[in-house]
Amino acid sequence: GQNIDQPTEMTATEGAIVQINCTYQTSGFNGLFWYQQHAGEAPTFLSYNVLDGLEEKGRFSSFLSRSKGYSYLLLKELQMKDSASYLCAVMDSNYQLIWGAGTKLIIKP
Amino acid sequence: ETGVTQTPRHLVMGMTNKKSLKCEQHLGHNAMYWYKQSAKKPLELMFVYSLEERVENNSVPSRFSPECPNSSHLFLHLHTLQPEDSALYLCASSQEGGQPEKLFFGSGTQLSVL
Repeated sequence: GQNIDQPTEMTATEGAIVQINCTYQTSGFNGLFWYQQHAGEAPTFLSYNVLDGLEEKGRFSSFLSRSKGYSYLLLKELQMKDSASYLCAVMDSNYQLIWGAGTKLIIKP
Repeated sequence: ETGVTQTPRHLVMGMTNKKSLKCEQHLGHNAMYWYKQSAKKPLELMFVYSLEERVENNSVPSRFSPECPNSSHLFLHLHTLQPEDSALYLCASSQEGGQPEKLFFGSGTQLSVL
């Protein structure tokens, strides 16, 4: 079967750096997405990786290793507003999105 | 005005009620989706519409009935629901063929079935 694994919950300190990991086993691969979802709000697109390597976008970066079935989302200079759930999703060979259960990130002052 | 609007935000219904969820997208997209989000579980795709034609129904019980009258509007009609149907129901839209094909979500309807 197809599976996406990511930690259920993480805690980090304001101003610090946090890395949220995502591992996947899917039938084929057509890209990996990260979405951010604040409590009670809509998930919003953060990043997309289809080739190996690091994509940087301001304080957020996303890394992909297709051979290892692994990605991470790196958040730098954490702010309180970064407290949210982070959803990892992989597009399989049929262009279907397979979702992880999400990682709830708690930022403490 | 947000890109994808869902109403109502909250809904409490009994198992014998009939209600409808509404979604409207203002992004000019050609695909719309219903997802179910339960606590600590992955998003579950329920229905997909592409150019107003239903292209996917992931074995969803018949007590959920979608309707897509045009490319901007999507409904989810609910009847004789069960308590386990309590969840956040998210609508999303996308532009098929987009690179990447990003989903734009509404804020969802939090449904409680008593």
